[in-house]
Amino acid sequence: AQSVTQLDSQVPVFEEAPVELRCNYSSSVSVYLFWYVQYPNQGLQLLLKYLSGSTLVKGINGFEAEFNKSQTSFHLRKPSVHISDTAEYFCAVRALDSSYKLIFGSGTRLLVRP
Amino acid sequence: DTGVSQDPRHKITKRGQNVTFRCDPISEHNRLYWYRQTLGQGPEFLTYFQNEAQLEKSRLLSDRFSAERPKGSFSTLEIQRTEQGDSAMYLCASSSDTGANVLTFGAGSRLTVL
Repeated sequence: AQSVTQLDSQVPVFEEAPVELRCNYSSSVSVYLFWYVQYPNQGLQLLLKYLSGSTLVKGINGFEAEFNKSQTSFHLRKPSVHISDTAEYFCAVRALDSSYKLIFGSGTRLLVRP
Repeated sequence: DTGVSQDPRHKITKRGQNVTFRCDPISEHNRLYWYRQTLGQGPEFLTYFQNEAQLEKSRLLSDRFSAERPKGSFSTLEIQRTEQGDSAMYLCASSSDTGANVLTFGAGSRLTVL
């Protein structure tokens, strides 16, 4: 079975500061990895995904993430955050077996302060 | 492409009543997923369909829950004899069976059981 751990339930940061949201996963098979963002009262929106190839992937809104297979991590980063980045961020994993479902972490609330 | 549509967006019901949610996926997507999200948690997988076939069900899906996708297009999720613990956001997502199988989510249906 797969699992995703997001250790930080909330990350406060000042506007224009850099941020890193941590994600670690567990799986006995190869995986695809995803980051989704959820704004209040909305569904989840895909930020970026890692399928294969370069371990550094870039997504929308200036976010990027790096896949580290040895540390089973997929941390999300942004060099300079804006107030509008305040939202809930979810890391998810899909095992490359017969199932197509995503398994999500518990989420990290990014709170950007002026 | 109008995205994934869910109806109703909000439902308030009394304990013991039955409720039904509807999901209309992106038209060319043949996979459809249901997730449940409670406050402060990540989405939890409930079930998914490929066309009209229900291929996987979570143990979270008790006997009071049933999902259908009779013609391989829209899907319904019914909860019978609702309990207060059923209060949550019910998310629907869809994906195609090509490429990375990226899930596109709807805005969700929020259920409050009094």
